[in-house]
Amino acid sequence: QQPVQSPQAVILREGEDAVINCSSSKALYSVHWYRQKHGEAPVFLMILLKGGEQKGHDKISASFNEKKQQSSLYLTASQLSYSGTYFCGTGYSGGYQKVTFGTGTKLQVIP
Amino acid sequence: GAVVSQHPSWVICKSGTSVKIECRSLDFQATTMFWYRQFPKQSLMLMATSNEGSKATYEQGVEKDKFLINHASLTLSTLTVTSAHPEDSSFYICSARDWETQYFGPGTRLLVL
Repeated sequence: QQPVQSPQAVILREGEDAVINCSSSKALYSVHWYRQKHGEAPVFLMILLKGGEQKGHDKISASFNEKKQQSSLYLTASQLSYSGTYFCGTGYSGGYQKVTFGTGTKLQVIP
Repeated sequence: GAVVSQHPSWVICKSGTSVKIECRSLDFQATTMFWYRQFPKQSLMLMATSNEGSKATYEQGVEKDKFLINHASLTLSTLTVTSAHPEDSSFYICSARDWETQYFGPGTRLLVL
C-alpha cells in the first residue's frame, strides 16, 4: 500500500522552512527520500535504515520514527533550487527489497 | 553518487510496434534493477524488479508478456514494450541498486500514436 505524504503541496518564500511527512500503514524497514524536478528522474537525497535515525546534509535532514511508521523531511532556509516534488520511498522487510513510493509533495520556493 | 543511464530519452512510435529501452549502470555493478512507470502528476509505480541472470519479478497488474525484461549482465537491463498502444504512453524510469540505495536513470518518454 502506498505511503501517504503530507502536505500535498506547499509554497515557500526563500529562507523559509518546511516539513514533509510520510506515513505508512505497514511496519517500515527503511525510508528513502527523493526530489524530482519537472520532466526529470528522481534524485536520491538520503536513506534512513533504523528507527529513530536522523540524517542530514546541507540544510535538508530527515528523521525516522519506526514506532509511528513515519518519516519526516526537514528543509531549512529554503533555496529556489529546492523546488520540485519530493517523494518518500519505503521498504518493508529486512534486507533490501523493493521500494514503494509515496504520494508526493510538490514544493515551490519563490523569491 | 553512482550514475545510471537510459537510452533512448524520447521515443515516438506507431501503435502496434515494439520499443526497447536500455538501462545501464555506468560505474557500478547492479544485480538488481527496477523499472517504474510514471504518469503525469502521479507518483512512480513499480512495474518489475529485474535480477541479473534470472527472471524478473512483476508487480500485480503488470503484464509480463507485454513488458519484457532482460537483465543479461551486471550493468544492463532492458525493457521491451511489445505491441505498444497509446495507453502505454508514459515516462519509464529505471533504477539500479547499489547497496541500500537506488539510483535513477534520466527516464524515457514514450509516446505511442
